[in-house]
Amino acid sequence: EAGVAQSPRYKIIEKRQSVAFWCNPISGHATLYWYQQILGQGPKLLIQFQNNGVVDDSQLPKDRFSAERLKGVDSTLKIQPAKLEDSAVYLCASSYINSGNTIYFGEGSWLTVV
Amino acid sequence: DQQVKQNSPSLSVQEGRISILNCDYTNSMFDYFLWYKKYPAEGPTFLISISSIKDKNEDGRFTVFLNKSAKHLSLHIVPSQPGDSAVYFCAAVYSGAGSYQLTFGKGTKLSVIP
Repeated sequence: EAGVAQSPRYKIIEKRQSVAFWCNPISGHATLYWYQQILGQGPKLLIQFQNNGVVDDSQLPKDRFSAERLKGVDSTLKIQPAKLEDSAVYLCASSYINSGNTIYFGEGSWLTVV
Repeated sequence: DQQVKQNSPSLSVQEGRISILNCDYTNSMFDYFLWYKKYPAEGPTFLISISSIKDKNEDGRFTVFLNKSAKHLSLHIVPSQPGDSAVYFCAAVYSGAGSYQLTFGKGTKLSVIP
């Protein structure tokens, strides 16, 4: 079974530029999550989708971050404009609906804002 | 307000001995608790979980214990192996309102010394 795929793996941008990350969840997983992990901290949920609807985006900085999952499969997370404090690993995860005890993560997209 | 706390940033254990990683939580509404293992430059890998209605779950060398009255859980690794050296994250799942919200601790870096 293929895992959660993410790209790009690494990205370096200047502040005020924009960046987009892509995620393809495990086949059949209806729930998709984007997490932000800053060095030395645990992952923090940014947004959660169930199929193509948003379940929770309460911690998403909506003035600069946006995410979509138009067809209920792939998802894109965008940051525009980026700030220095956005430097982090962006982790995508997925799970079956009603399967909160097993959530699988991708390898992450590492962002450095300079 | 940290709902999931891992108070030990690091732990060193001799190969073959027991590793005990601890986690405390504050929200009595959590339904599941999960442990993830993370190697550098990789995403978190699901290790083991426990439902809030159980007090123990075992999978090979890994056992998770839950003490609900103390709001405390621990992960035991016996015997510890050098390949277990990684950052371990404790996470808690709340499934209120039909969505599964995963909250992470800051992680404990385990070093198993050969």
